[in-house]
Amino acid sequence: DAKTTQPPSMDCAEGRAANLPCNHSTISGNEYVYWYRQIHSQGPQYIIHGLKNNETNEMASLIITEDRKSSTLILPHATLRDTAVYYCIVRVSDMRFGAGTRLTVKP
Amino acid sequence: GAVVSQHPSWVICKSGTSVKIECRSLDFQATTMFWYRQFPKQSLMLMATSNEGSKATYEQGVEKDKFLINHASLTLSTLTVTSAHPEDSSFYICSAMGPNSGNTIYFGEGSWLTVV
Repeated sequence: DAKTTQPPSMDCAEGRAANLPCNHSTISGNEYVYWYRQIHSQGPQYIIHGLKNNETNEMASLIITEDRKSSTLILPHATLRDTAVYYCIVRVSDMRFGAGTRLTVKP
Repeated sequence: GAVVSQHPSWVICKSGTSVKIECRSLDFQATTMFWYRQFPKQSLMLMATSNEGSKATYEQGVEKDKFLINHASLTLSTLTVTSAHPEDSSFYICSAMGPNSGNTIYFGEGSWLTVV
């Protein structure tokens, strides 16, 4: 599976949009982009995934560039409960985690 | 999303004993399950992948005789840490996927193991 690169940490003001970037320049044609988050001492929570097109659900939006070499997860109105480590993973079969981005939402 | 449950949530065991952690998919058939462990302030590390009815495939450096994985049904996988030592103390997390999970992997809540 392709490797991803994410910034180690980001801050966001409560109520504002949080935009979390991810680079996956070696992604192959059949690999999906998945986003999970892990709140302290819990198992990872699925957020969203996509292949080529942008995706939106009740939690977030996923923007994938046309060349698929990068993506952005958008939390439209961040709350304090969105503070977590966010993982961007590209996969076909199994799932391997990088270091992720520690997002801190501040009041 | 689909529900994956782990039990126990936390366990303390004596050094040299064995401990079993269960992972259940509650609302879908889990043809594939994964086991991870996570040390404090680190990311999740994949330990092994198991397909229902088959032997687990272990990642390099993970001792298969120490971490016994059984995936005998479509809803249950177990991880047994044998002859546990304090360095096995960690957060163990399972995940599962199946034909009805949309190829999405869902994670359990995790199990804290402390070996004293």
